[in-house]
Amino acid sequence: SQTIHQWPATLVQPVGSPLSLECTVEGTSNPNLYWYRQAAGRGLQLLFYSVGIGQISSEVPQNLSASRPQDRQFILSSKKLLLSDSGFYLCAWSVLAGADTGELFFGEGSRLTVL
Amino acid sequence: AQSVTQPDIHITVSEGASLELRCNYSYGATPYLFWYVQSPGQGLQLLLKYFSGDTLVQGIKGFEAEFKRSQSSFNLRKPSVHWSDAAEYFCAVDYTNAGKSTFGDGTTLTVKP
Repeated sequence: SQTIHQWPATLVQPVGSPLSLECTVEGTSNPNLYWYRQAAGRGLQLLFYSVGIGQISSEVPQNLSASRPQDRQFILSSKKLLLSDSGFYLCAWSVLAGADTGELFFGEGSRLTVL
Repeated sequence: AQSVTQPDIHITVSEGASLELRCNYSYGATPYLFWYVQSPGQGLQLLLKYFSGDTLVQGIKGFEAEFKRSQSSFNLRKPSVHWSDAAEYFCAVDYTNAGKSTFGDGTTLTVKP
């Protein structure tokens, strides 16, 4: 069966420090991968998605970047964190064929607090 | 641009009572429609989805939802709520069939004993 792992689960970082959140998927090949951010009391906002290695699309301008160095690995990064980067970050994967088309499978999330 | 509205920020129901969570979407075409549930500090889990066909769809945990094109709605229902249903519920739409869903702001469900 497919699984998705995110780490770290919790992170407290000072303003101006770098960031790296990692996500890996197991049990599937060539998935679409996504980074969503959830602000307190709000829904999810799509930040990045990837249809393959090295292929990244950004949905909103921001202080963050994403990379996909391997088929099942997705990394969210920042060189210098801002206070506004605080939030709950969720990695997800999907397939675009068959009965599960469009369904998103989420990781457990990474809570980032920037102080 | 596509948008999703969940009019109820917070709903409280008694255990055993029925539940309906509302969801309305904008845009002209019929999108892919989803309901997800999120427990505190956790990721989201799919409850059910609608792509086409029968407008009443059944999901996990006894939930169902009905797609009404005329009202641009996809409301979630459950006949009898259990205490374990307390969570946050998100409606989502995807017009792209690329997994790029737009989410509503969520409805928090509290279940009274």
